[in-house]
Amino acid sequence: DAGVIQSPRHEVTEMGQEVTLRCKPISGHDYLFWYRQTMMRGLELLIYFNNNVPIDDSGMPEDRFSAKMPNASFSTLKIQPSEPRDSAVYFCASSFGGGGFYNEQFFGPGTRLTVL
Amino acid sequence: ILNVEQSPQSLHVQEGDSTNFTCSFPSSNFYALHWYRWETAKSPEALFVMTLNGDEKKKGRISATLNTKEGYSYLYIKGSQPEDSATYLCAFSGGSQGNLIFGKGTKLSVKP
Repeated sequence: DAGVIQSPRHEVTEMGQEVTLRCKPISGHDYLFWYRQTMMRGLELLIYFNNNVPIDDSGMPEDRFSAKMPNASFSTLKIQPSEPRDSAVYFCASSFGGGGFYNEQFFGPGTRLTVL
Repeated sequence: ILNVEQSPQSLHVQEGDSTNFTCSFPSSNFYALHWYRWETAKSPEALFVMTLNGDEKKKGRISATLNTKEGYSYLYIKGSQPEDSATYLCAFSGGSQGNLIFGKGTKLSVKP
């Protein structure tokens, strides 16, 4: 298996633009997580899905952030409009079973987002 | 607010030294404790997921213990090697439908 795949790996955009980050989880995994990593706050869970259904989005910072999982092999995290404070590395992770937090999570390589 | 604390923040050791770090977490509503290894410019990689008080897990030269009653876990590295240089993260879960709260990590540098 290729592991968790994220695209793009790097994104530079201007304030106000829409940004879409993509994730392909490991085949067969039923949990998908979106994280954001910043120097100030470390690694934070934004939202997670179980069998394509959003379970907890309490970590999503604002209404500007939205996430979807239309099928078991694809998820997007969208920021509209983007702001400079959204600059961070966004990780996607997937896992199998265990209620989402009982088993190890496999992380993708991350997307480094810079909003100018 | 749930808090996960890791100490020390950073650690510099010589090759061959053994070392350990601490992860402190809330002692109530424990569900699971994760340890991850995060090398610079890579993504976090799972080391252990621990769920039972008194758990001890081992992977090669790295081992971990868990005390859920007092809310701490130790990660040990025996005979550190330069390739062990990374940030070691712990993450606490307080429920099956909850969240995974990460600590800020302990950054380990092993000098040859």
